[in-house]
Amino acid sequence: AQSVTQLGSHVSVSEGALVLLRCNYSSSVPPYLFWYVQYPNQGLQLLLKYTTGATLVKGINGFEAEFKKSETSFHLTKPSAHMSDAAEYFCAVSPSGGGYQKVTFGIGTKLQVIP
Amino acid sequence: EAEVAQSPRYKITEKSQAVAFWCDPISGHATLYWYRQILGQGPELLVQFQDESVVDDSQLPKDRFSAERLKGVDSTLKIQPAELGDSAMYLCASQGSETSYNEQFFGPGTRLTVL
Repeated sequence: AQSVTQLGSHVSVSEGALVLLRCNYSSSVPPYLFWYVQYPNQGLQLLLKYTTGATLVKGINGFEAEFKKSETSFHLTKPSAHMSDAAEYFCAVSPSGGGYQKVTFGIGTKLQVIP
Repeated sequence: EAEVAQSPRYKITEKSQAVAFWCDPISGHATLYWYRQILGQGPELLVQFQDESVVDDSQLPKDRFSAERLKGVDSTLKIQPAELGDSAMYLCASQGSETSYNEQFFGPGTRLTVL
C-alpha cells in the first residue's frame, strides 16, 4: 500500500521568496517519488523525480526536492518564487522496480505568488 | 516534441446523456492511463491499458463507464448515462516502457460539466 500526504492545500509566498511545498509518503517498499505541476485547465507536467542514487533531485524551472528516507519526506523547494510559478503542485509515489507500477497522487497544493 | 492528445478539451452535457472522450498517446507508448480529477483533488486512476489489454480497471464504475483501446494505440472513454457527480477533469497519460521509472506523460485533459 502507498499514500501521499501534502501538507497545506494552499500556500502563498511573495515574489522572490523561498517556495517550500511539503510532501510525506507512505510505502511498503522503496518508492519512486514525483512532483508534477498543473496550470489551470491543463494536464500535469513532470517537474522532477527520485528513483535511486542522489537524494537531492533537481528539476525544471529551478525546483528541487530532497528524498529523506528517515522522515519519509520529499519536500519541493525553489529559492526564489516567480509569478509564473503560480500553479497547483502534486506529489506522487509509486513502488520502485520494473513493470508498470501504480502511481498514487496527493491532493495537491495550490501555490499563490504575491507580487 | 511528442505529446499526448485529447479531445474534446471541454464538454458540457445534461445528465442521462452519453459522452465520449478520446486520447492519442505518445507514439510507441504501450501503456495508457485514464484518470479522473475532481476539483481540488489529485488524479485518481480509472483504467490502465497495456497495449489493447486492460491491466487495471478496479476503480472504473463499470455500470456507466467503459473504455477501449482496440488497436493498442488511441483510446476512448465513455460515460453512459452521465450523472452530476461525473463533473471533473478526465486526464489521459501514457508511459513508454517498463524501465521508464513509472514516469507518465499527461495530455491536456477534458473538462466535463454535467448539468
